[in-house]
Amino acid sequence: DAMVIQNPRYQVTQFGKPVTLSCSQTLNHNVMYWYQQKSSQAPKLLFHYYDKDFNNEADTPDNFQSRRPNTSFCFLDIRSPGLGDAAMYLCATSMDRSHNQPQHFGDGTRLSIL
Amino acid sequence: GEDVEQSLFLSVREGDSSVINCTYTDSSSTYLYWYKQEPGAGLQLLTYIFSNMDMKQDQRLTVLLNKKDKHLSLRIADTQTGDSAIYFCAERENYGGSQGNLIFGKGTKLSVKP
Repeated sequence: DAMVIQNPRYQVTQFGKPVTLSCSQTLNHNVMYWYQQKSSQAPKLLFHYYDKDFNNEADTPDNFQSRRPNTSFCFLDIRSPGLGDAAMYLCATSMDRSHNQPQHFGDGTRLSIL
Repeated sequence: GEDVEQSLFLSVREGDSSVINCTYTDSSSTYLYWYKQEPGAGLQLLTYIFSNMDMKQDQRLTVLLNKKDKHLSLRIADTQTGDSAIYFCAERENYGGSQGNLIFGKGTKLSVKP
């Protein structure tokens, strides 16, 4: 039944070692988002894809990249994770960017940095 | 810029009603959302309200919107222990008809005591 699926649920990586988080969706939505959520904070948008168009937030560090090879999949790549990148990473989708289209979230991947 | 404010904590007894409050700053917001986040999980869309509505009811959930005061509330009737979670209020940025990102509050942690 899960419509937005994130793998893995928990990821541990070493300081500076590249890591990739995965998101897939069965909703056939056009938009896919990546958020970073640190403990006791609101989710912070990193970037989103509208179809194949990539939209980066102005304050997203260059260390964070994303790929969307097809409608169903979207990846978050962290090139050189630092200790400050330890967080929950949430993927979300919406049909489009219209105001009446809510975002649907996955269960997140909790990233730990050793 | 846009801002969404919520109180951080609310504690109620099982069976009582819970009321979670939120204020927002963007008077042009067209849709306002409530999301629920259980420990270690992603965000679950609970309900949303269009700005031309004052109230929306969905089973145990009632959303009230006071557009003049930019105040939104979520009432949970007959609160159960399974309602314990963090509740996020969110508004959608609105740039002259072009819809922007979701702006989240910091979340209200609801604790339900048996």
